[in-house]
Amino acid sequence: QKEVEQNSGPLSVPEGAIASLNCTYSDRVSQSFFWYRQYSGKSPELIMSIYSNGDKEDGRFTAQLNKASQYVSLLIRDSQPSDSATYLCAVNHGSARQLTFGSGTQLTVLP
Amino acid sequence: EAGVAQSPRYKIIEKRQSVAFWCNPISGHATLYWYQQILGQGPKLLIQFQNNGVVDDSQLPKDRFSAERLKGVDSTLKIQPAKLEDSAVYLCASSLGVSGYEQYFGPGTRLTVT
Repeated sequence: QKEVEQNSGPLSVPEGAIASLNCTYSDRVSQSFFWYRQYSGKSPELIMSIYSNGDKEDGRFTAQLNKASQYVSLLIRDSQPSDSATYLCAVNHGSARQLTFGSGTQLTVLP
Repeated sequence: EAGVAQSPRYKIIEKRQSVAFWCNPISGHATLYWYQQILGQGPKLLIQFQNNGVVDDSQLPKDRFSAERLKGVDSTLKIQPAKLEDSAVYLCASSLGVSGYEQYFGPGTRLTVT
């Protein structure tokens, strides 16, 4: 069974700090990695995709991928209260066509 | 560009009744997905279509769930008969291609089975 693991949290950071969210996956052949943000009562919203080792930056968000260690992380710089949400990690395994989602990490940014 | 459309947004039914959900994907997206999301969990794939063909339905409870995408555009997901444990949010998503492509979600349908 291909698995995606996330710390469920809650993770609390003060406003302006860096929030670090981590995700590990079980299938070494995984090729595509995604971070989604989900506000309470809303549907998941894609915020980052990453396909190769290293860092990918988009505004205040940085995704980091390390395939050798089988982890992917999301850094949110200058965290704002509006970033308070559940962050879902999703992995597209190489041997299957479906995305497998983690259970999400709940982030709270304190004003 | 219009996003993924779903209806209804909310549905309350009694157990053993039937229910149907509708989804219209982003224009030009060949792949359509139905997910079930139970509170506190990540979305779980129920079925994946490429155009009007089924790519993966391994996690669809086929004794009660069915889905179709007849003309390769919009899709319906049906539950008959519903059970209490079917209470969840049903999410539709679409993407340009089958594997590795970014998926975009609709607003979802919140189903409550009483």
